[in-house]
Amino acid sequence: QKEVEQDPGPLSVPEGAIVSLNCTYSNSAFQYFMWYRQYSRKGPELLMYTYSSGNKEDGRFTAQVDKSSKYISLFIRDSQPSDSATYLCAMRSMEYGNKLVFGAGTILRVKS
Amino acid sequence: NAGVTQTPKFQVLKTGQSMTLQCAQDMNHNSMYWYRQDPGMGLRLIYYSASEGTTDKGEVPNGYNVSRLNKREFSLRLESAAPSQTSVYFCASGGAFADTQYFGPGTRLTVL
Repeated sequence: QKEVEQDPGPLSVPEGAIVSLNCTYSNSAFQYFMWYRQYSRKGPELLMYTYSSGNKEDGRFTAQVDKSSKYISLFIRDSQPSDSATYLCAMRSMEYGNKLVFGAGTILRVKS
Repeated sequence: NAGVTQTPKFQVLKTGQSMTLQCAQDMNHNSMYWYRQDPGMGLRLIYYSASEGTTDKGEVPNGYNVSRLNKREFSLRLESAAPSQTSVYFCASGGAFADTQYFGPGTRLTVL
């Protein structure tokens, strides 16, 4: 069983929809949670970073962490075709030091 | 300010051939990483270097070697390429903690 599970999709939505992307994890030691966005044939780029349980908002993006359920989510409001990309969750624990564990990524397609 | 650069962008090798992937960063980061990305597997850490002069194995180090040439450069070497090493390779750099990593554009490697 992978430490971090993420539905690969693809998830296809119409422009303007609210998108929900999710990851579950098994290691309760994970404390730091990130979402990276990767456009086709490009390297990933950091989108959101959260440390504790709860919500963090940045423009149209909201990251949510529920440590009790070992579940993290990324919500995208008013989705745009430019949001079409692969979204990877990543997490870190102190026991892993400076190493991240990534999910497999979810492909998102926003149709105009 | 180029960020993280990787060379080459594409490479085709025959089984048993060797090659070195080059990576350089101009952000004065201490940490550098090499990942491979395969469909359905997400990003998997091959090797990382927490600082100049140190390297450590990641999740999938077999068949690879690395050199942290100086603070800017971190190379990945395949001594005897195998078809299982066909993948997209990403180099990344980061600050004191692994959470914010900056990725290069990737090298697409095919081993025949």
